[in-house]
Amino acid sequence: TQLLEQSPQFLSIQEGENLTVYCNSSSVFSSLQWYRQEPGEGPVLLVTVVTGGEVKKLKRLTFQFGDARKDSSLHITAAQTGDTGLYLCAGRNYQLIWGAGTKLIIKP
Amino acid sequence: SQTIHQWPATLVQPVGSPLSLECTVEGTSNPNLYWYRQAAGRGLQLLFYSVGIGQISSEVPQNLSASRPQDRQFILSSKKLLLSDSGFYLCAWTLQGMYGYTFGSGTRLTVV
Repeated sequence: TQLLEQSPQFLSIQEGENLTVYCNSSSVFSSLQWYRQEPGEGPVLLVTVVTGGEVKKLKRLTFQFGDARKDSSLHITAAQTGDTGLYLCAGRNYQLIWGAGTKLIIKP
Repeated sequence: SQTIHQWPATLVQPVGSPLSLECTVEGTSNPNLYWYRQAAGRGLQLLFYSVGIGQISSEVPQNLSASRPQDRQFILSSKKLLLSDSGFYLCAWTLQGMYGYTFGSGTRLTVV
């Protein structure tokens, strides 16, 4: 069974702080996606990383795909209350494997 | 532009009653369609996927079934709901060769 482990499961920090969430597996993925989900809504795709070592930036969010394509991280700089949500990673090989998510709360 | 519609948004059903959730996609052709269930605030469990009309693959044996009567319509059904069927159901689509999935806004099902 392929697993994609996200950590931490829950994170609550003050506005303005930096944070990193992780997505780790023993499996190699051809690509990895990050989604953000707000309560009562479906997940929204943030980014897809494809190449080992790839770094993508989306405003204050920085996504990195591990060199071996087994892990990924999401770093948020100067978090804002609007960043609050559930962050999900999903890795693809012959199927799409989902992590359990990191629930992020940014306090004003 | 492509859009996905999922309804109803919320549903409260008694145990033993039937279920029908509908999902439609607009603005694209031949999408791959998916039904997921999500436990409260957690990850997604794939229930069914379809790569074409009448083609349904089931990932988890359970009390649910799916049908795809038209290219852009995907239906999730049950003949008799169980308490354990409660959850947040999400429909999603993608195209062959695309990386990301586009999700509907979900249906919160509570079986009482």
